[in-house]
Amino acid sequence: AQTVTQSQPEMSVQEAETVTLSCTYDTSENNYYLFWYKQPPSRQMILVIRQEAYKQQNATENRFSVNFQKAAKSFSLKISDSQLGDTAMYFCAFMKQGTGNQFYFGTGTSLTVIP
Amino acid sequence: SAVISQKPSRDICQRGTSLTIQCQVDSQVTMMFWYRQQPGQSLTLIATANQGSEATYESGFVIDKFPISRPNLTFSTLTVSNMSPEDSSIYLCSVEGRLARGNEQFFGPGTRLTVL
Repeated sequence: AQTVTQSQPEMSVQEAETVTLSCTYDTSENNYYLFWYKQPPSRQMILVIRQEAYKQQNATENRFSVNFQKAAKSFSLKISDSQLGDTAMYFCAFMKQGTGNQFYFGTGTSLTVIP
Repeated sequence: SAVISQKPSRDICQRGTSLTIQCQVDSQVTMMFWYRQQPGQSLTLIATANQGSEATYESGFVIDKFPISRPNLTFSTLTVSNMSPEDSSIYLCSVEGRLARGNEQFFGPGTRLTVL
């Protein structure tokens, strides 16, 4: 079974600063995808960034980037130039390729951006 | 990306009653998923609903408690039966999305259920 662990239940960061959210996972699979989802107070789950396990290059999406360490099974999210709108719950998720898109979610990190 | 709506957005129900949650997608999708998110918790997959076949339930979830319908490729319902306060949660539906860069899931806005 796949497990996803987020060891930081809560974090805070000053506006315009950089913050890193941690995620580790456990799997015996070689082909999979990793995701970071954001859930603001509105409850809408929004995809932040995705990473294909076969790609060595770390994914980036504007202010969001990941540090993907496949051997260490680590997938951290870095948010640069934090904005107030980044305040949300962030969930790390794992999807094994070819399983019918079944996702495994971590327990989430509540991020607060302080003005 | 898919646009997903859910009805109702929230409800307060009495113990022992049932509530049916609707999920509507603006495009045809093969697979739809129902998740439960208990207060302060992560998302837990309840079941996968494919059109034209019985839903596949995850461990700890049974059809009698959470019957699911999938009458067509754009719609699904989840019923929470014989509710108890422990069923108070946010229920989210999601659909698969196939993008060139890799798969993802698109989520509905969720239904917040409170059982008294």
